Amino acid sequence: DTGVSQDPRHKITKRGQNVTFRCDPISEHNRLYWYRQTLGQGPEFLTYFQNEAQLEKSRLLSDRFSAERPKGSFSTLEIQRTEQGDSAMYLCASSLRGSLAGELFFGEGSRLTVL
Amino acid sequence: AQSVAQPEDQVNVAEGNPLTVKCTYSVSGNPYLFWYVQYPNRGLQFLLKYITGDNLVKGSYGFEAEFNKSQTSFHLKKPSALVSDSALYFCAVSHLEVTFGTGTKLQVIP
Repeated sequence: DTGVSQDPRHKITKRGQNVTFRCDPISEHNRLYWYRQTLGQGPEFLTYFQNEAQLEKSRLLSDRFSAERPKGSFSTLEIQRTEQGDSAMYLCASSLRGSLAGELFFGEGSRLTVL
Repeated sequence: AQSVAQPEDQVNVAEGNPLTVKCTYSVSGNPYLFWYVQYPNRGLQFLLKYITGDNLVKGSYGFEAEFNKSQTSFHLKKPSALVSDSALYFCAVSHLEVTFGTGTKLQVIP
């Protein structure tokens, strides 16, 4: 296993379209996190899963954002009716249950550009 | 609420010189502190962590960090900088969730 994998690496879309990002965590990791990073800022927490349970989703930026992890393995982050302000890097990270919340393994990110 | 401050947007250092990237934190209770590095167009990579114990923590690529409880600081250090160390560095604190700083761009000049 080579690490956290994210797809696509770069997505360009028109305003109003829906986009979906996929994250495949390290196989033995049961925690999965989504972050957003904009230029000049640190990663901003969005949501996280332990196995298939979404334990925190109050930080999702609006009701246009949703995330799933149906079988406790890969996860998807969907943004509906995209806006130009959604342009950012979306980072996925995973960790082992019982590890510290800050010991995260990040993927390389999915960069979203909304025209 | 917990927070992290990285007061310098950019740090420039000559190759071979020691480097310091500053971080201060605010959290109730005992802090868990972390440093991450981000290379261009890449995800963040874990460098080191402080949980408890020795105030000087050693991490990857020759980096270390010094925890100072009285100053609520967790500065990242390296005795001799390499050009390849040029990257974006993030300090983070976790209690129940992880909060990242805004990052410091390290530029090592040959």
